[in-house]
Amino acid sequence: AQSVTQLDSQVPVFEEAPVELRCNYSSSVSVYLFWYVQYPNQGLQLLLKYLSGSTLVKGINGFEAEFNKSQTSFHLRKPSVHISDTAEYFCAVIGVYGYSTLTFGKGTMLLVSP
Amino acid sequence: GAVVSQHPSWVICKSGTSVKIECRSLDFQATTMFWYRQFPKQSLMLMATSNEGSKATYEQGVEKDKFLINHASLTLSTLTVTSAHPEDSSFYICSAKFTGEETQYFGPGTRLLVL
Repeated sequence: AQSVTQLDSQVPVFEEAPVELRCNYSSSVSVYLFWYVQYPNQGLQLLLKYLSGSTLVKGINGFEAEFNKSQTSFHLRKPSVHISDTAEYFCAVIGVYGYSTLTFGKGTMLLVSP
Repeated sequence: GAVVSQHPSWVICKSGTSVKIECRSLDFQATTMFWYRQFPKQSLMLMATSNEGSKATYEQGVEKDKFLINHASLTLSTLTVTSAHPEDSSFYICSAKFTGEETQYFGPGTRLLVL
């Protein structure tokens, strides 16, 4: 089984500032990792994913994340946020070879103010 | 690509009635679809996994007779909330994935309000 911890329930930041949303996981097997974004009253949109290869993954909307196996982390970063980035962000993991279901963290609300 | 739609986007119904929610993969064939429930300001809770042509697998604590899932084709899965009650009010989200890939693509969600 896997578990996901998103340490920050809410991250306030000013527009054009950099941001990092933290995600740590635990698992007894190798995992695939995902970040999804959810705007109010909408479904989840895939931001980026790590399946294999380079540990630095670039996604949509200028976001990137780095997989750190030794620290079991997959933190999401953006060098300069916009007001439109205000949303809920979910980190999720699933065991390789489909041995588990997709497990979500509790989410981090990114609040971007002018 | 990989677009998933849901219909309706919101529904209000009276207690005791049944409500059907559709989930469609618009531009790909989804052998597996998932149904999630999300309470306000919370994460997603997996309700069930459905594979085309077979019975759905429900998570522990989810009543299969209350939440009927049908996955009759490679592009359509339906969730029927039978005899809905106010406590069933929630945001229901489906997702779908390709065969052999673990990435799930999510629909826009359906907000159900039972009065």
